[in-house]
Amino acid sequence: EDQVTQSPEALRLQEGESSSLNCSYTVSGLRGLFWYRQDPGKGPEFLFTLYSAGEEKEKERLKATLTKKESFLHITAPKPEDSATYLCAVGDGQNFVFGPGTRLSVLP
Amino acid sequence: NAGVMQNPRHLVRRRGQEARLRCSPVKGHSHVYWYRQLPEEGLKFMVYLQKENIIDESGMPKERFSAEFPKEGPSILRIQQVVRGDSAAYFCASSPYGQAYNEQFFGPGTRLTVL
Repeated sequence: EDQVTQSPEALRLQEGESSSLNCSYTVSGLRGLFWYRQDPGKGPEFLFTLYSAGEEKEKERLKATLTKKESFLHITAPKPEDSATYLCAVGDGQNFVFGPGTRLSVLP
Repeated sequence: NAGVMQNPRHLVRRRGQEARLRCSPVKGHSHVYWYRQLPEEGLKFMVYLQKENIIDESGMPKERFSAEFPKEGPSILRIQQVVRGDSAAYFCASSPYGQAYNEQFFGPGTRLTVL
C-alpha cells in the first residue's frame, strides 16, 4: 500500500530563516510527486510536479527536489505570506495519495 | 479562466438528511476526483470519475455515498442519511488527463456540518 509521510508536522520560522520540509514515500511505481499549498479554509493550490529522481523545480522562494525515496521543499528567506500547510502527494498511475502536511508559520 | 467551482461552500444538515455536493471542473477537464478532509488530517481519496463513468471508487464508503459525473452538468457527490461522522470538508479536483501522473486542480471545498 502506498504511504506518504511528512515532517515536521509543524514548523515555526522567523522571517528570513530558510528551512526544508520533508516528504517520504513508499509507492509501488512512482508516476509523479506533487507539492501543494493549502491556506486555512481553502482548497489546495498546486505548486510543483516532479517525475524523476534528481529533478528540481523552483518558484519564487520555493524549490522542490526529488530522490528515489523522498522529496524536499526548500524555503529560502521565507516571508509571513508563506505561512500555510504544505501537502505532498504521490501518484502511482491510478491514485493520488496525500501526506498529512506540514503546517508552516513564518513570524515577522 | 474559471477554476474548479464547488457549491455550496457551507452545508448544514441534520442527522438522517441527504447532502448533495456539486463540482464544476475546469473547462475542458474531463477527469474529476473527490476527496474528504477531516480536521487536522490529510486529504483522503474517495472517487475518480470521467464523463458518465466511475473509474475508481475504492475510497468511497459502500453505503450511503454515491457520485456521478453526467454528460452535461456538474459532478455530484451525494451522501444519504448523513451522520455526525460525515462532517468534514469535501474537495473536488479536476485534471485534463487521468492516470494520476498529472497535477490535479482543486476547488475551494464544501464544508459539511451534520447536527
